[in-house]
Amino acid sequence: GQNIDQPTEMTATEGAIVQINCTYQTSGFNGLFWYQQHAGEAPTFLSYNVLDGLEEKGRFSSFLSRSKGYSYLLLKELQMKDSASYLCAGDPPDSNYQLIWGAGTKLIIKP
Amino acid sequence: NAGVTQTPKFRILKIGQSMTLQCTQDMNHNYMYWYRQDPGMGLKLIYYSVGAGITDKGEVPNGYNVSRSTTEDFPLRLELAAPSQTSVYFCASSYSSLAAYEQYFGPGTRLTVT
Repeated sequence: GQNIDQPTEMTATEGAIVQINCTYQTSGFNGLFWYQQHAGEAPTFLSYNVLDGLEEKGRFSSFLSRSKGYSYLLLKELQMKDSASYLCAGDPPDSNYQLIWGAGTKLIIKP
Repeated sequence: NAGVTQTPKFRILKIGQSMTLQCTQDMNHNYMYWYRQDPGMGLKLIYYSVGAGITDKGEVPNGYNVSRSTTEDFPLRLELAAPSQTSVYFCASSYSSLAAYEQYFGPGTRLTVT
């Protein structure tokens, strides 16, 4: 089946920029979702990319290359509140309801 | 709007006990989902529903049952609890089919089976 791979953990400094990568098989997905999940809380939606390229939303941007099976989430001007797990999820073409979720990347922000 | 609410927040069950996890949404969403989240793993879909009276299995349905008698409510039933069902359970809803529509998650139920 389709798998999604993300780094388990990353550390970055307050005020800096960090890029969280997500890779999958190129036979791929209709699109890629990114969700943010603070410890002990529910995931919340950040972005959905269905077209190749970069989409920017304030301090957060998400990029998709369907031909390369690659997506990333770019966080700028990091704040302590950005410490969370970031979940990547793919939308398979053969199933409208079952997202394939990565295990998430735990992002630790240091002052 | 309260969004998606789940009860209880925490529960400890003994092996073989049963329980129902409640989920309610007030956004008039047709689509509802139950996930489990285990440490270090991605969310796994247990069951989903595309409207009142319609449910279907997800990736990991064994040991669980659901019903959807109203648009608002989507309870998850655990029969004969097993330690493997120790997990965090999230209910979610979306306006329409998955593609391009965000899912709204409830706060989760942390279940321990001992």
